[in-house]
Amino acid sequence: EVQLVETGGGLVQPGRSLKLSCVASGFTFNNYWMSWTRQAPGKGLEWVASITNSGGSTYYPDSVKGRFTISRDNAQNTLYLQMNSLRSEDTATYYCTRGNNYDYWGQGVMVTVSS
Amino acid sequence: DVVLTQTPPTLSATIGQSVSISCRSSQSLLDSDGDTYLNWLLQRPGQSPQLLIYSVSNLESGVPNRFSGSGSETDFTLKISGVEAEDLGVYYCMQATHAPLTFGSGTKLEIK
Repeated sequence: EVQLVETGGGLVQPGRSLKLSCVASGFTFNNYWMSWTRQAPGKGLEWVASITNSGGSTYYPDSVKGRFTISRDNAQNTLYLQMNSLRSEDTATYYCTRGNNYDYWGQGVMVTVSS
Repeated sequence: DVVLTQTPPTLSATIGQSVSISCRSSQSLLDSDGDTYLNWLLQRPGQSPQLLIYSVSNLESGVPNRFSGSGSETDFTLKISGVEAEDLGVYYCMQATHAPLTFGSGTKLEIK
């Protein structure tokens, strides 16, 4: 059974950093691109970052470019999202997603940016 | 960025009724490789989104065949043939043809 389990969320002050993790199981992790997608409270979905199978290439929208870094450890079947210089508008539930079709989603982890 | 416009924003249906949701793109979603990367997702209340349809019309494994997708270029439709109670939630279209990947604003399906 495919599982994606995110951890690392919480309350953080504006300007500070937070690192999310997503542990994958039930599939061959290094066969898939992986991504992070977020959803602000009561709002729609926003793509945040993607990384290739090997981790050699990463992609971001302008809204997080230069502040967020996606990475992966294929030996540990783990995806990461390092978030720096956090802003109030980064407050959202962050989902780990599999592949180019987004065929599996984690349960999500809440990040709240507030003083 | 590609803008996906979903209509209607809200849909109310009775059990057994057939309904359709439209997703219109600001650009053609036909990729140079010949595929069209338009997917449909369902987010049930309090849950994570789940994939229903990929590449316009391909039913994801385990998804009931009352769901179907159609369309091309810029106009796409998700049809539910015989709504069931478990189908309530918010439906999103998403495109992965053009960077950045974008989502529609969602269509909320309510059961009368």
